[in-house]
Amino acid sequence: AQSVSQHNHHVILSEAASLELGCNYSYGGTVNLFWYVQYPGQHLQLLLKYFSGDPLVKGIKGFEAEFIKSKFSFNLRKPSVQWSDTAEYFCAVNALSGNTPLVFGKGTRLSVIA
Amino acid sequence: EPEVTQTPSHQVTQMGQEVILRCVPISNHLYFYWYRQILGQKVEFLVSFYNNEISEKSEIFDDQFSVERPDGSNFTLKIRSTKLEDSAMYFCASSVVSTQETQYFGPGTRLLVL
Repeated sequence: AQSVSQHNHHVILSEAASLELGCNYSYGGTVNLFWYVQYPGQHLQLLLKYFSGDPLVKGIKGFEAEFIKSKFSFNLRKPSVQWSDTAEYFCAVNALSGNTPLVFGKGTRLSVIA
Repeated sequence: EPEVTQTPSHQVTQMGQEVILRCVPISNHLYFYWYRQILGQKVEFLVSFYNNEISEKSEIFDDQFSVERPDGSNFTLKIRSTKLEDSAMYFCASSVVSTQETQYFGPGTRLLVL
């Protein structure tokens, strides 16, 4: 069975600081990888996704993530966070083969302070 | 940009009552999903639906739950006799063809069972 671990429960950063949120997954086969964001009071929105190809994927709002297959990791990064990045961030995976559902991590709450 | 919509946004019900949560997936999407998130816990998959039948379901999706696509636009989740532990945020999602595509989420229905 697949599982996803997000190491940080709550991250607090000052504006302009760099961000890296960890995500590791457990699955024996090929996976699709996603980062979703949930701004306060809003629904889950896709930040970026990896299906195949270049392991460094760029998403919206200056976010990027790198898939490192050997480490089963898909960490999310942003060089300089803004107050508006305050949100909950969820890493998710599903298996490449078959119609499998998304398996989510517990989420990381990011608070950006001025 | 088309969005998944869900109604109601909040629902309070008494234990043992039936509830129906409604979703309108994005119009050209063919796969539909329900997920839930109990407060402070992970987003968990409940069920996927394709071609008017359940494609996959999790252990959570027991006989108390059912899904239906009553017309060409709505996708519903029914909980026949609610329990306290059904209190959660319920998210509907849809995707174009299969789970190999991005799943787009609705804003959620917050269900509180008293």
